[in-house]
Amino acid sequence: DTAVSQTPKYLVTQMGNDKSIKCEQNLGHDTMYWYKQDSKKFLKIMFSYNNKELIINETVPNRFSPKSPDKAHLNLHINSLELGDSAVYFCASSQARYTEAFFGQGTRLTVV
Amino acid sequence: GDSVTQMEGPVTLSEEAFLTINCTYTATGYPSLFWYVQYPGEGLQLLLKATKADDKGSNKGFEATYRKETTSFHLEKGSVQVSDSAVYFCALSGAGANNLFFGTGTRLTVIP
Repeated sequence: DTAVSQTPKYLVTQMGNDKSIKCEQNLGHDTMYWYKQDSKKFLKIMFSYNNKELIINETVPNRFSPKSPDKAHLNLHINSLELGDSAVYFCASSQARYTEAFFGQGTRLTVV
Repeated sequence: GDSVTQMEGPVTLSEEAFLTINCTYTATGYPSLFWYVQYPGEGLQLLLKATKADDKGSNKGFEATYRKETTSFHLEKGSVQVSDSAVYFCALSGAGANNLFFGTGTRLTVIP
């Protein structure tokens, strides 16, 4: 009965590979997000979707492409992975864009 | 633009000590304010929130009061436990915002 679940929890891959992270929420929320947390724990918004529509696309390389097949899912696809992409990626959801967000457990991506 | 300035850590306290983690914000209008906690290896969990001036959020012995006059939302706990060791994030959501803005996080370590 996990509210926001993302898979995988750990992802180790080589430079240049393409990988995807999946996220699903069962809270009935309209808005979903991807955040990136660096090694110093700093959290940066990457994307925000509201009712499957892209709302925010921060200065993220276009190698990162989110896809929302429906309101409950927001997946993140990353092409041509680079060492600097190593981080923890969090999916989150909220009822509205200005209310509290509920976070998944995170995906620790390590690019070698 | 909207921003959050959070007390730098790390903070190390003995069990049963009093905790204060300072948080100040910059925002137009009347934002909602939040404290999140991240335990090792986990995602962020909402600890408490306040949505208007003078509101006090509280949970698990933690408290924070929304002070508009000082644009602050300091986190306090009267007696910390070893299990409170975690990273604490202050966050805000401004009127019309599309996402939460997070502070840099404060790592708290409580020693027996």
